[in-house]
Amino acid sequence: EAEVAQSPRYKITEKSQAVAFWCDPISGHATLYWYRQILGQGPELLVQFQDESVVDDSQLPKDRFSAERLKGVDSTLKIQPAELGDSAMYLCASSLGRGFEAFFGQGTRLTVV
Amino acid sequence: ELKVEQNPLFLSMQEGKNYTIYCNYSTTSDRLYWYRQDPGKSLESLFVLLSNGAVKQEGRLMASLDTKARLSTLHITAAVHDLSATYFCAGYSGGGADGLTFGKGTHLIIQP
Repeated sequence: EAEVAQSPRYKITEKSQAVAFWCDPISGHATLYWYRQILGQGPELLVQFQDESVVDDSQLPKDRFSAERLKGVDSTLKIQPAELGDSAMYLCASSLGRGFEAFFGQGTRLTVV
Repeated sequence: ELKVEQNPLFLSMQEGKNYTIYCNYSTTSDRLYWYRQDPGKSLESLFVLLSNGAVKQEGRLMASLDTKARLSTLHITAAVHDLSATYFCAGYSGGGADGLTFGKGTHLIIQP
């Protein structure tokens, strides 16, 4: 069964260090999302790609976060420098296109110490 | 900007009982989604509701959508322990910014 792959599953990093997460969407899915879920809350959209283009990054803290999807397939989300408040689950999701049902990966649990 | 509110946020119930989770949203949403999340895990899609009056059922869960009232409900019938999880509703407002907007989730505990 096709699924969204994310790595690593868990990451512990020190404050002020750089950290990166990787996502491989379901094959053929043109739309890719990165969400952040703080413990006890619902996921919040950080960035949305349509193929290799950013559709929406209005909620992405651009002073420290960056995201890319260079060839329109897999994607990387980077944080530099990490802050304590960045501790959260980072979820990647993909869909056939804008407005279609989104399928979520297992997520990366980030702990900043 | 779409806002999604769920209630209750926390629900403890006994096996065999029925209950309903409510999801209100602030503006027109083209569709409404329900997801389930187990502790430490990702989100599992349960239902996609596409039109007014839509009703979908899977096992002991039934979801409905009333677009005029901007309300969706998730009804649990004869609850069993395995349904213990956090349930999220999410709306998709379309347009330029079309990622899902999630509610805060309903943490459901079903006790024997």
